[in-house]
Amino acid sequence: DTEVTQTPKHLVMGMTNKKSLKCEQHMGHRAMYWYKQKAKKPPELMFVYSYEKLSINESVPSRFSPECPNSSLLNLHLHALQPEDSALYLCASWDSMYNSPLHFGNGTRLTVT
Amino acid sequence: KQEVTQIPAALSVPEGENLVLNCSFTDSAIYNLQWFRQDPGKGLTSLLLIQSSQREQTSGRLNASLDKSSGRSTLYIAASQPGDSATYLCAVRRRSSNTGKLIFGQGTTLQVKP
Repeated sequence: DTEVTQTPKHLVMGMTNKKSLKCEQHMGHRAMYWYKQKAKKPPELMFVYSYEKLSINESVPSRFSPECPNSSLLNLHLHALQPEDSALYLCASWDSMYNSPLHFGNGTRLTVT
Repeated sequence: KQEVTQIPAALSVPEGENLVLNCSFTDSAIYNLQWFRQDPGKGLTSLLLIQSSQREQTSGRLNASLDKSSGRSTLYIAASQPGDSATYLCAVRRRSSNTGKLIFGQGTTLQVKP
């Protein structure tokens, strides 16, 4: 069982829709991440939140808008996406101890039509 | 710039065989190296994490080694089973990173045939 929970598991949206992806962890981790993964590729980092503040934005288009309401929750707001944004979106968390592992959720499979 | 390479990209073996997956990285200034497993359409499951000061870590039938000076890590899977079929990813955390950012390899897709 994963300790990082992502909802929904699957999402289909049109290019004019607004939707949100949600991620939750209750391990007390203070760093949370959004990754994007295309088929047969490794995950690509999008955003990092550290102590609820955005610390890294890997030049992600503004149609993706992250939000960290509290230390346990991470959202990714989606608006005016393109079909090429279809991918598996993964959330991860880390306890900020350098030699501890990153914990990933099971992801949200997003399809943009 | 840190680059991580995994060879081979795909591997097919009969059940019961011992196998080795390879991971190489270009910059030895790392905190640790992590091996993950990913089943199709699923998230990443952490298998083993080796600190830069360690030479190997073991968990059940899995053994991961690290040679930081040569920029190499191997994941050894003993007595492979069909349930081991998945994509295996290695990732390094650089010493210059205080955000936990990982640099991933492209992965090795393993198929274990009954």
